[in-house]
Amino acid sequence: SAVISQKPSRDICQRGTSLTIQCQVDSQVTMMFWYRQQPGQSLTLIATANQGSEATYESGFVIDKFPISRPNLTFSTLTVSNMSPEDSSIYLCSVPGGEGETQYFGPGTRLLVL
Amino acid sequence: GQNIDQPTEMTATEGAIVQINCTYQTSGFNGLFWYQQHAGEAPTFLSYNVLDGLEEKGRFSSFLSRSKGYSYLLLKELQMKDSASYLCAVINTGGFKTIFGAGTRLFVKA
Repeated sequence: SAVISQKPSRDICQRGTSLTIQCQVDSQVTMMFWYRQQPGQSLTLIATANQGSEATYESGFVIDKFPISRPNLTFSTLTVSNMSPEDSSIYLCSVPGGEGETQYFGPGTRLLVL
Repeated sequence: GQNIDQPTEMTATEGAIVQINCTYQTSGFNGLFWYQQHAGEAPTFLSYNVLDGLEEKGRFSSFLSRSKGYSYLLLKELQMKDSASYLCAVINTGGFKTIFGAGTRLFVKA
């Protein structure tokens, strides 16, 4: 199993500002995933962060809006740039388990943009 | 396209049995997961199916039919604490990319 921590756990931000969310894993992993969960919705994959290469973004998400860093095998950051109220959401990082194993999720970062 | 369908909401009575269905159409298949998510919390793993059939784990069971693109989660002896959203998710081949359904909100009443 993997233990994942995220910082901050929650924040309230003004529109137009940016917030960087940190994700720390207690073991080395090749892939880390960033998800968004808007109020009352399910999880939507933003991007896959691979160590040593550019993140791979899903349709509808772009690097300028959600830049990602992956400096090593245990850490990643997601920045939500130029925020608007529509970015109010829970942002979760996760890592895959082994073949046939569950995906492990961090506790999430609850973001409210005013 | 890729699509996962599950009912939006269900209501059941404490002590009863409830079945939450999920149908999926995905470009690849390497297993299906069910997660439980309480309000304001991260999803937690319930079950994993990759072969056809029923997997039982305590009060929870999960069934898969790959040919029909269909799964269900069966919850027995419902408790109030089972009130939560239940997410059906399919993992694609060759990348561990997981696609989530919109979730089914289950309300357990006394």
